Amino acid sequence: GAGVSQSPSNKVTEKGKDVELRCDPISGHTALYWYRQRLGQGLEFLIYFQGNSAPDKSGLPSDRFSAERTGESVSTLTIQRTQQEDSAVYLCASSQRRDGETQYFGPGTRLLVL
Amino acid sequence: AQSVTQLGSHVSVSEGALVLLRCNYSSSVPPYLFWYVQYPNQGLQLLLKYTSAATLVKGINGFEAEFKKSETSFHLTKPSAHMSDAAEYFCAVSDLQGAQKLVFGQGTRLTINP
Repeated sequence: GAGVSQSPSNKVTEKGKDVELRCDPISGHTALYWYRQRLGQGLEFLIYFQGNSAPDKSGLPSDRFSAERTGESVSTLTIQRTQQEDSAVYLCASSQRRDGETQYFGPGTRLLVL
Repeated sequence: AQSVTQLGSHVSVSEGALVLLRCNYSSSVPPYLFWYVQYPNQGLQLLLKYTSAATLVKGINGFEAEFKKSETSFHLTKPSAHMSDAAEYFCAVSDLQGAQKLVFGQGTRLTINP
């Protein structure tokens, strides 16, 4: 079946603009995660959605970052008033919500803030 | 808080030689442990995972890893390197509860010399 998809694959924006990144998880996966990967670094957790439960936003770096998810489908990560330090690859992952379950990653959105 | 340390940001081996990528974790309880591989311009792909069953875990592409609680380690090995193994490798630890978000190491870039 189809894997996790993300769009756009690349995004170049100017400092101060808002951007929206989209993630389509694997069908049937109730858990959805957003991570950020800065150049030459590991991945940082941003936010977690599980069904209709309140999301775990503990990884969001500032109030400029927000995310939504409609039911158990598409998620959108929004960055307002982008800064140059927001430049990174934003990765989405989904999984079936069971202990130790594998997270399946999308190809990522490469964001460059000029 | 959980953390992961990958020793060596770059590892270079000859084709056919042993591959050893080191990972040490910090966790108050036995965690779930993962190794992911990232090929250039691609998302992360699961190599293998430890979820408290057998301590020696076999994964795809001939890789394996051994969970050693006494050493808090989960090193990744492959007996004979292939040119196609050149990639970035990430070790990650997962919460046992709540979001089960992944905490990643900084990554190790593996280069294979012909």
